[in-house]
Formats: sequence, structure tokens, C-alpha cells
Amino acid sequence: ETGVTQTPRHLVMGMTNKKSLKCEQHLGHNAMYWYKQSAKKPLELMFVYNFKEQTENNSVPSRFSPECPNSSHLFLHLHTLQPEDSALYLCASSQERVENIQYFGAGTRLSVL
Amino acid sequence: AQSVTQLGSHVSVSEGALVLLRCNYSSSVPPYLFWYVQYPNQGLQLLLKYTSAATLVKGINGFEAEFKKSETSFHLTKPSAHMSDAAEYFCAVSEYGGSQGNLIFGKGTKLSVKP
Repeated sequence: ETGVTQTPRHLVMGMTNKKSLKCEQHLGHNAMYWYKQSAKKPLELMFVYNFKEQTENNSVPSRFSPECPNSSHLFLHLHTLQPEDSALYLCASSQERVENIQYFGAGTRLSVL
Repeated sequence: AQSVTQLGSHVSVSEGALVLLRCNYSSSVPPYLFWYVQYPNQGLQLLLKYTSAATLVKGINGFEAEFKKSETSFHLTKPSAHMSDAAEYFCAVSEYGGSQGNLIFGKGTKLSVKP
């Protein structure tokens, strides 16, 4: 148990569906991250939030929409995805400027049909 | 910008043998370096970190890594592999050195352990 919880663990969706991924951290951290992990590719940083403010968007397509209502919760809203978006989506949190250690959730395995 | 290179996408060892996973970094400032492990169907877990204190860093599960500035390396070792060590291992560096910036991850090395 890392203190970062992601739900759901598995998700299958069609290209016209709308779904959301949820991440919650119980570590009192002030920074949260979304990563995409695809087979045979390096871990891709998607979004970064510091103190609820988005500080980074790594050219992510608009069909991915993040939301951070408070420092403990992070969502990734998905709509009209493509099959190539199938991947493991990982959430992480950290205490900014403290050794830069990130704590990861177990991820959501997303399959887009 | 900083970067890391992991040599070998797949390493296979026998149970009880030495584990050596290689990581080289590129950094124009003193780096913070990390090794993470990912077991099947799980997220990444921190194994150990180098934050400019001792150059030999001990982590969890008997792993250790040595920071060698002259070789720009941070290789991960374990004297005796166990079946439970089978996982994927990622080396990472802070984007701007020290604790600043995001983490830049290597492509990962999958470790297999044969009985």
C-alpha cells in the first residue's frame, strides 16, 4: 500500500464513451501526476498539478482532460478515445521540493475498443 | 536537460546469481537519481535514491546502487537474486538536478530469474 489509490483498476471502453479515472492520495502531498505507460515505450508524463494548479501539460490530446479539485484528488476524464490510447495509466504524488520522490498508485489498465 | 539510459531491456539471471542492472545518466548539474521497481500489475515502487550524500546507496530488498560521477553511472546490484526479484526496473533522474523538476525515466529493464 503506497498511499495512492487508483480506481478503477481495469476499464474497457468504446471509442464513443466518456469515462473518468480517479486517483486519491493519503500522504499529504501537494503535487500530483498522470503518466501513461504503453508497452515498449518509456513512461510518458502527461500532466502535473502543484497545489491544485496545472503546471504541465505535455502536449496531451484534448480527449484527455485532467481535473484536480483539491490536493488529495486527481481525475482524468476520457472521451472519444482511440485504440492507441490503450495503456496503463499511473497516478503519482510527491511533496514538492523534498527529494523529488514520487509515490505511485497501482494504475488503471485501459482498453479502448 | 537531464536524461538516463538503461542498457539492456531484458536481463536474465539464475536464482542466487549476482544481479547487475545498468543505468547511465546525463546531467549538467549535480543529479538526484532513483531506482524504481514495478511488479506485474502494480505501480512503481521506490527502491532507492541518491541525493548527493553517500555514493553507495542501500535500498529495500537487498538492492544497492553506487553513484560514480566519473563514469556518469548509477548501476543497481544485488549479490544474490531471488525469484521474487523478477520485475521491471526503472532508473530516473530529476529533470533539472537536485529536487527540481519532474522525473525523467529510462525505458526500463525487465529482470527474469531462473530457478
